[in-house]
Amino acid sequence: QKEVEQDPGPLSVPEGAIVSLNCTYSNSAFQYFMWYRQYSRKGPELLMYTYSSGNKEDGRFTAQVDKSSKYISLFIRDSQPSDSATYLCAMSVDTGNQFYFGTGTSLTVIP
Amino acid sequence: NAGVTQTPKFQVLKTGQSMTLQCAQDMNHEYMSWYRQDPGMGLRLIHYSVGAGITDQGEVPNGYNVSRSTTEDFPLRLLSAAPSQTSVYFCASSYRGTPGNTIYFGEGSWLTVV
Repeated sequence: QKEVEQDPGPLSVPEGAIVSLNCTYSNSAFQYFMWYRQYSRKGPELLMYTYSSGNKEDGRFTAQVDKSSKYISLFIRDSQPSDSATYLCAMSVDTGNQFYFGTGTSLTVIP
Repeated sequence: NAGVTQTPKFQVLKTGQSMTLQCAQDMNHEYMSWYRQDPGMGLRLIHYSVGAGITDQGEVPNGYNVSRSTTEDFPLRLLSAAPSQTSVYFCASSYRGTPGNTIYFGEGSWLTVV
């Protein structure tokens, strides 16, 4: 079983839709949870991070962590064509420690 | 502030050739790592380093070598290239501390082995 599972999609939504991206994991020791956005032919860049359980909001983006279910989500409100990218979840046990990535979900927002 | 710089961006190698992917960071980060990204496989850790003079293997280390002589540089060496090493390679650096756990990635190196 992989440490982190993520539905690869692809996901295609109309502009303005709410997007939900999810990952599940198996290691209960994970404490740090991150979402990265990767545009085509570019390196991933950090979008949001969360420590332990709970919600975190940043503009149109909300990250949720449910450690009891080993499930994390990223919600994008009022999606824009510029949100079209691959979204990768990542997690780690400790700061600066080994990071475990999901395979990424490809999102296309249609104008 | 350049962040993480990788070279070359594109490279074609013949089977059996060796080469080095260069990586440098100017953020004084302790941690540096190399990942490869393949379709359907996501990012997989090849090697990582927690500081100058210290390296360790990740998930897929075979066929690769690394060294960390300075805080800034972390080159990845392909010893004898094989078609299975055709991939996109990302160098990354990170710092240990809170808040956050940010990994900074380079722009990527596209490698084709024929």
